[in-house]
Amino acid sequence: QKEVEQDPGPLSVPEGAIVSLNCTYSNSAFQYFMWYRQYSRKGPELLMYTYSSGNKEDGRFTAQVDKSSKYISLFIRDSQPSDSATYLCAMSGHNTNAGKSTFGDGTTLTVKP
Amino acid sequence: EAQVTQNPRYLITVTGKKLTVTCSQNMNHEYMSWYRQDPGLGLRQIYYSMNVEVTDKGDVPEGYKVSRKEKRNFPLILESPSPNQTSLYFCASTRLGTSGTAGELFFGEGSRLTVL
Repeated sequence: QKEVEQDPGPLSVPEGAIVSLNCTYSNSAFQYFMWYRQYSRKGPELLMYTYSSGNKEDGRFTAQVDKSSKYISLFIRDSQPSDSATYLCAMSGHNTNAGKSTFGDGTTLTVKP
Repeated sequence: EAQVTQNPRYLITVTGKKLTVTCSQNMNHEYMSWYRQDPGLGLRQIYYSMNVEVTDKGDVPEGYKVSRKEKRNFPLILESPSPNQTSLYFCASTRLGTSGTAGELFFGEGSRLTVL
């Protein structure tokens, strides 16, 4: 079983829709939760970074972490065609390989004008 | 501009022909790593380095070597490439968090390798 499972998608929504992207995980040691966005033929770029449980908002993006359920989400409000990309959840915790993040497989989102 | 630069971006080679993918970062980060990205398997860490001359295996190190002789450079070496190493490779440089754990990863643009 993978440590991080991500809803596979792909996801196709009309412009202006609210998008929900989700990941579950099994490793209780994870404390840092991240969402990366990857455009086609590019490397992933950090979108949101949260520590422990709770919500974090940045413009149209909201990251939620529920450590009790081992479940994280990324919400995109008023989605735009420029949001079309693959979204990767990533997690890390205190361990000997302190700089490592464990990634989900990614969800590909298409926002249609 | 903060950058991770890797080369080549695209490479087609044949089984057994040694190759090196270079990686360089300009952010003075101590932690660097290599990932491969495959459909259905996501991003998996190959090797990492916590500082100059300090390297260790990640999750899928078989068939790869690395070296870290300078802080900014972290090349990935395939001594005898095989077709199962056909993949998209990313070099990443990590700004560690305040508690020493993983912070933001800065990725290169990727190197697409095909081994025939």
